[in-house]
Amino acid sequence: EPEVTQTPSHQVTQMGQEVILRCVPISNHLYFYWYRQILGQKVEFLVSFYNNEISEKSEIFDDQFSVERPDGSNFTLKIRSTKLEDSAMYFCASNSGGGNQPQHFGDGTRLSIL
Amino acid sequence: GENVEQHPSTLSVQEGDSAVIKCTYSDSASNYFPWYKQELGKGPQLIIDIRSNVGEKKDQRIAVTLNKTAKHFSLHITETQPEDSAVYFCAASNQGGSEKLVFGKGMKLTVNP
Repeated sequence: EPEVTQTPSHQVTQMGQEVILRCVPISNHLYFYWYRQILGQKVEFLVSFYNNEISEKSEIFDDQFSVERPDGSNFTLKIRSTKLEDSAMYFCASNSGGGNQPQHFGDGTRLSIL
Repeated sequence: GENVEQHPSTLSVQEGDSAVIKCTYSDSASNYFPWYKQELGKGPQLIIDIRSNVGEKKDQRIAVTLNKTAKHFSLHITETQPEDSAVYFCAASNQGGSEKLVFGKGMKLTVNP
């Protein structure tokens, strides 16, 4: 069964550094999402992306965050200047879109900011 | 915006018993309610979903019910097995609108052999 893959599984970064989290969505999917889960808390929506542009973003997704689909397969989340509070699990999801289509999640990247 | 509450936060059952997880939502525009299972070190895996035009859906040992009037939905797992042990999340979205998923806090289910 096709799946969403994320790399790396664990990223350790110094505060203030830039980090890029990578995702390969399911190949025929058109809608892409990033969520994050701070330890012990809810999974929270960050951003959705369709047709090479952001469809929606949450309050969390401030100017330090950006997303990109640099080629036909990858979908990336960049945090420009990381803060301690960015430490979390980051999940990528995708679906074929158009409403009524379930979102499929990757196994996440654990981001630890020191 | 939408707010999803989930309870209980933990549940421990004996193998073979049933487990019920309840969620409430606040936005009457929400029309899609998926349930995810998250095992340790893994991402959320969709196990069943229900749309607002349906009151109940069943898939083998798993069933979900939806009460739109009361704005609550529940997951029922029958004949639980140790491999059902995981964290279960409910979520809601307005498909055709935002489509972002709003999650509950999750429930840790432990099935004791």
